[in-house]
Amino acid sequence: EAGVTQFPSHSVIEKGQTVTLRCDPISGHDNLYWYRRVMGKEIKFLLHFVKESKQDESGMPNNRFLAERTGGTYSTLKVQPAELEDSGVYFCASSQVPPPAFFGQGTRLTVV
Amino acid sequence: QKEVEQNSGPLSVPEGAIASLNCTYSDRVSQSFFWYRQYSGKSPELIMSIYSNGDKEDGRFTAQLNKASQYVSLLIRDSQPSDSATYLCAVNPSGGSYIPTFGRGTSLIVHP
Repeated sequence: EAGVTQFPSHSVIEKGQTVTLRCDPISGHDNLYWYRRVMGKEIKFLLHFVKESKQDESGMPNNRFLAERTGGTYSTLKVQPAELEDSGVYFCASSQVPPPAFFGQGTRLTVV
Repeated sequence: QKEVEQNSGPLSVPEGAIASLNCTYSDRVSQSFFWYRQYSGKSPELIMSIYSNGDKEDGRFTAQLNKASQYVSLLIRDSQPSDSATYLCAVNPSGGSYIPTFGRGTSLIVHP
């Protein structure tokens, strides 16, 4: 069975550009989470979907971040416009029930 | 005050020894506690959950919870070099949230 898959694995963009990260959860997992880890810091929660609905988005830093989950399947996280402080590793996780159990490999985002 | 605290390590133990990983948390009424393992360059994986005071054993792993003292620990018996990884403690805050807050993790090195 495929695990949680994230695309791309790495992204380097200039400040002001837009980047879209994608997460494909494990099939059948209603719960999908986005987390971010900035270098040297702990993993921080961004957003939690249950199916296609945003259950908790209290961790989203600001309105430059937009997450969607089409039809309750894959999810995208768009950063527009990107700022230097957005650099970090973005993890997606999924589970049938909370807590997040299976994490993707992460997308390393570098904003220059 | 950090919500979930862990010693970053590295904690170095010889093969066959007991590795003891500790975590303290600030939210006195937290109800759910988790340990994740993250191999270098890989994604976190959930390995243990504990919800009530006392010990919970799963193979060579034992999670211990003491709510009065606000700490949770993970013991690894008969440590193996393959146990070398970063171990992340995560705590569900009070208020019915199912979003765990992560510590920064403790790096464990098991040397032959």
